[in-house]
Amino acid sequence: EIVMTQSPATLSVSPGERATLSCRASQSISSNLAWYQQKPGQAPRLLIYDASTRATDVPARFSGSESGTDFTLTISSLQSEDFAVYYCQHYNNWPQTFGQGTKVEIK
Amino acid sequence: EVQLLESGGGLVQPGGSLRLSCAASGFTFSSYAMSWVRLAPGKGLEWVSVINSGGEITYYADSVKGRFVVFRENSNSTVHLQMNSLRDDDTAVYYCTRKEGGAHPYDYWGQGALVTVSS
Repeated sequence: EIVMTQSPATLSVSPGERATLSCRASQSISSNLAWYQQKPGQAPRLLIYDASTRATDVPARFSGSESGTDFTLTISSLQSEDFAVYYCQHYNNWPQTFGQGTKVEIK
Repeated sequence: EVQLLESGGGLVQPGGSLRLSCAASGFTFSSYAMSWVRLAPGKGLEWVSVINSGGEITYYADSVKGRFVVFRENSNSTVHLQMNSLRDDDTAVYYCTRKEGGAHPYDYWGQGALVTVSS
């Protein structure tokens, strides 16, 4: 089983600032990685797939990148609606595990 | 418009059984793999199971293997999760979600069904 490790667990950011979230895979997953956003009481929402492709209707302030088994989600200028929990997930093989999540909170 | 609507959640005693259903609409159901993902209180998302588009291939998380069974009815655009021998740590919101195939992300999600296992 591939283990996905996200850091930090919590990120305190002021509105308008940049947020950088990290995700590391325990072995190679190629670019088979997605990022999801989840707000309390809501279903997860796909943000990024194939490590760096924005999903439909996702604002350009969200971007994804990769370097080997390290993946990054960057939110360039945090808006009030971006405060949420973010998960990475690989879909390279089964089981398609999630990271434990990063909570982005208002500083 | 793609819609996934879960039903069947509720309160069940430890050792009991429950069946979740997910009714899909707005897309060609038989062309998509379907999965269940859960969110336990205070925890993160956990992938639970998947069934391929034709219903012949299934995979399960180790935590539910041997207790949960996923199956689908393409004629009714519905996928089910039969949960047996339920434990306290199965308490979670269970989401139905779809993907085009193995190496694709989950692009649409239902709103979830709450399952509470408690005596």
